[in-house]
Amino acid sequence: EVQLVESGGGLVEPGGSLRLSCAASGFPFSNYAMTWVRQAPGKGLEWVSTISSSGGSTYYADSVKGRFTISRDNSKNTLFLLINSLRVEDTALFYCAKSLVGATRGIDYWGQGTLVTVSS
Amino acid sequence: DIQMTQSPSSLSASVGDRVTITCRASQGISNYLAWFQQKPGKAPKSLIYAASSLQSGVPSKFSGSGSGTDFTLTISSLQPEDFATYYCQQYSTYPITFGQGTRLEIK
Repeated sequence: EVQLVESGGGLVEPGGSLRLSCAASGFPFSNYAMTWVRQAPGKGLEWVSTISSSGGSTYYADSVKGRFTISRDNSKNTLFLLINSLRVEDTALFYCAKSLVGATRGIDYWGQGTLVTVSS
Repeated sequence: DIQMTQSPSSLSASVGDRVTITCRASQGISNYLAWFQQKPGKAPKSLIYAASSLQSGVPSKFSGSGSGTDFTLTISSLQPEDFATYYCQQYSTYPITFGQGTRLEIK
């Protein structure tokens, strides 16, 4: 059974940083691209970033480029998102998601999310 | 960026009804279209990928169709557990984009 468990969220002041983690199990993690998607309170889904299976290629939404860094440790089946220079508008539930078989940009499984709250 | 527009934004229906949600892409995306269901306080759940392929474990009451720019999600014989918000997503190219969501409510 595919499991994705996010952690690392919390309350942080504007300008602060957090590192989110996503522990994966139930599938060969190193074979799949992984994605972060966020959802602001009461709002829709917003793609944040995707990383290739090897970690050699990364992609970002313009709204986070230069502030967020996606990475992965295939030896530990873990996905990360380092978020810097946090803004109030970054407040959201952050989901990690597994890519579809044969379609890097597609998603088939989602974690339960970790909440990031940016407030002074 | 490819804009994804869903219609309607909200929909009221009764148990047993059949409903259709539409998603339109601002440019052609072939069949790189997925549908997700999200219930309040829960993570999204994948329903359909490649416009019309059902994810494993998803009941056949859900069906998708379309190609290019126009897509539909149809849910037959609505049950109480189907009332949720539905999102389409294009994964043809970066940035990946989602529709704004369609809230399906009980009439």
